[in-house]
Amino acid sequence: QVQLVQSGAEVKKPGASVKVSCKAFGYTFTSYYMHWVRQAPGQGLEWMGIIDLSGGFTSDAQRFQGRVTMTRDTSTSTVYMELSSLRSEDTAVYYCARDVLYCSGGSCYSPQYYFDYWGQGTLVTVSS
Amino acid sequence: SYELTQPPSVSVSPGQTARITCSGDALAKQYAYWYQQKPGQAPVLVIYKDSERPSGIPERFSGSSSGTIVTLTISGVQAEDEAYYYCQSADSSGPYVVFGGGTKLTVL
Repeated sequence: QVQLVQSGAEVKKPGASVKVSCKAFGYTFTSYYMHWVRQAPGQGLEWMGIIDLSGGFTSDAQRFQGRVTMTRDTSTSTVYMELSSLRSEDTAVYYCARDVLYCSGGSCYSPQYYFDYWGQGTLVTVSS
Repeated sequence: SYELTQPPSVSVSPGQTARITCSGDALAKQYAYWYQQKPGQAPVLVIYKDSERPSGIPERFSGSSSGTIVTLTISGVQAEDEAYYYCQSADSSGPYVVFGGGTKLTVL
């Protein structure tokens, strides 16, 4: 079955970078897109960006541009999200979330910009 | 700006019907999606494309759309439905994905 397994919790100092991984199981990795979504403590969900797992193309939310880097390793079916210049406001749980592949009439279409499977989340704490 | 607005909280008694709204100008043109999130867990998709229900989601969950407002309806609410519910939409031309602020459903 489909599983997204993320790396463990991290504690970082302000100004540092963090790299979170998300390893996919149970499906053809390169047929899908993956998103990153974060959730600050007690707050709502915030979209960070999307990566095409086949070609590696990315697009990120304007507020993160320049600070977030999304990559993938097709040999290990793993997606990475690196956030740089960390500040206390970046303390959050970071989720990878798989985009839906819509198939109809023998053709499949992606991305659909909504999410059918999520990782378990990775808590990143930024504190001096 | 691309914003989705939800009420912060909704309370219902077991067996009653809960309705959670989500409003935003973009909803007149884009689909809405709904996620359920319980404490300490990742979100789960409960409604997609305004009113479609994924396999495995109970029939008591339904969605509807009217203009710039979408509604998640939970009929015959059960204690296990107590959770936060988030609406979500997207603009593929951006691309841009936006979530509503979330609604805490309390089962009295």
